[in-house]
Amino acid sequence: GAVVSQHPSWVICKSGTSVKIECRSLDFQATTMFWYRQFPKQSLMLMATSNEGSKATYEQGVEKDKFLINHASLTLSTLTVTSAHPEDSSFYICSAEDRDRGGLAFFGQGTRLTVV
Amino acid sequence: GQQLNQSPQSMFIQEGEDVSMNCTSSSIFNTWLWYKQEPGEGPVLLIALYKAGELTSNGRLTAQFGITRKDSFLNISASIPSDVGIYFCAGRYGGSQGNLIFGKGTKLSVKP
Repeated sequence: GAVVSQHPSWVICKSGTSVKIECRSLDFQATTMFWYRQFPKQSLMLMATSNEGSKATYEQGVEKDKFLINHASLTLSTLTVTSAHPEDSSFYICSAEDRDRGGLAFFGQGTRLTVV
Repeated sequence: GQQLNQSPQSMFIQEGEDVSMNCTSSSIFNTWLWYKQEPGEGPVLLIALYKAGELTSNGRLTAQFGITRKDSFLNISASIPSDVGIYFCAGRYGGSQGNLIFGKGTKLSVKP
């Protein structure tokens, strides 16, 4: 299957700092990528849809100024958690859809963020 | 909004048993996908279904796209300990460019 690489796989940061998470589609171009948040033992919660060359579309209740998304190329989207607080600690996962393969969605490995 | 009902929420089975889980919706979907997520990892695509009635296998896994296009099931035969994880269904509505929505997952535990 197609490969989506997410980096870093885990990060610990201090309250008030910002953290950037990268999502790359390694062997296909992704005009659309998605960012999810997952709490322990729960399903995936869609945060935003990242569109190449345009602004991201955020789901209701997700603060766009806190979770900055940039999709500057067809293979890279970034999520920046700004002014992180302990309640932002979570598992963040990206996915990218391969339109050349019927829109199959492939996921990154996830990033475990811990804010201390 | 669109919703997928995935059941059961969790399963505790003995190694060697067969497993069945399903997803249903009140809306029509044009694609069904099944994923498996292991702890600390992102979901991995298991099976993709594109046509009503389609039955597709991947090793011991079999999934079907319901003929009403509102449901799908996943079966795992002769379960083994490494089948442990959370299984998610995902459905796409609104055409090939439509969004994917996910079920809440089925957590599978296998006792050796």
